[in-house]
Amino acid sequence: AQSVTQLGSHVSVSEGALVLLRCNYSSSVPPYLFWYVQYPNQGLQLLLKYTTGATLVKGINGFEAEFKKSETSFHLTKPSAHMSDAAEYFCAVDVSGNTGKLIFGQGTTLQVKP
Amino acid sequence: SQTIHQWPATLVQPVGSPLSLECTVEGTSNPNLYWYRQAAGRGLQLLFYSIGIDQISSEVPQNLSASRPQDRQFILSSKKLLLSDSGFYLCAWRGDSGGAYEQYFGPGTRLTVT
Repeated sequence: AQSVTQLGSHVSVSEGALVLLRCNYSSSVPPYLFWYVQYPNQGLQLLLKYTTGATLVKGINGFEAEFKKSETSFHLTKPSAHMSDAAEYFCAVDVSGNTGKLIFGQGTTLQVKP
Repeated sequence: SQTIHQWPATLVQPVGSPLSLECTVEGTSNPNLYWYRQAAGRGLQLLFYSIGIDQISSEVPQNLSASRPQDRQFILSSKKLLLSDSGFYLCAWRGDSGGAYEQYFGPGTRLTVT
């Protein structure tokens, strides 16, 4: 069965430090991978996606992620954290094709300290 | 451009009362539609998805039901709410063609069952 694991339910970084949020997936077929961000009491906003092609994908707000098939990973990074990056981040995988069903990780709460 | 609406934004209902949450999408046709529930401190759980009018699939056995009376309208219902139905309910849509694999989320409905 397909699954998504986000390592670390809470990550704390200082403002200006590197952000690294980890995501590993299991899938028997080539996956489509996504990172979403959620601010309190709001819906999810797409940060970036990987479908095919270049394995390093860039998203909004300076985030990027690299698809590593050999490691079944899709870690999210940002070189320098900003206070406004504090939010919950979800990794998701779509292996269903036509239905578009997503399997989400449990989420990682990012805290940014001044 | 496409937009997705959910209402109400917040709802407090007693145990045993009925429920109706509405989701509508504008600016697209024949979208795939999804209902998710997000319980406190947990990830997103897919409840229902629909790839067309009267084509609804249930992912989790529960006392909730979904209907799609129009192409861009998706309704989540219950005849009798349970305490465990409390949570943040999110509706999402995805295009059905053109390589658009990502889902777009509405602002959510916060449901508290008392």
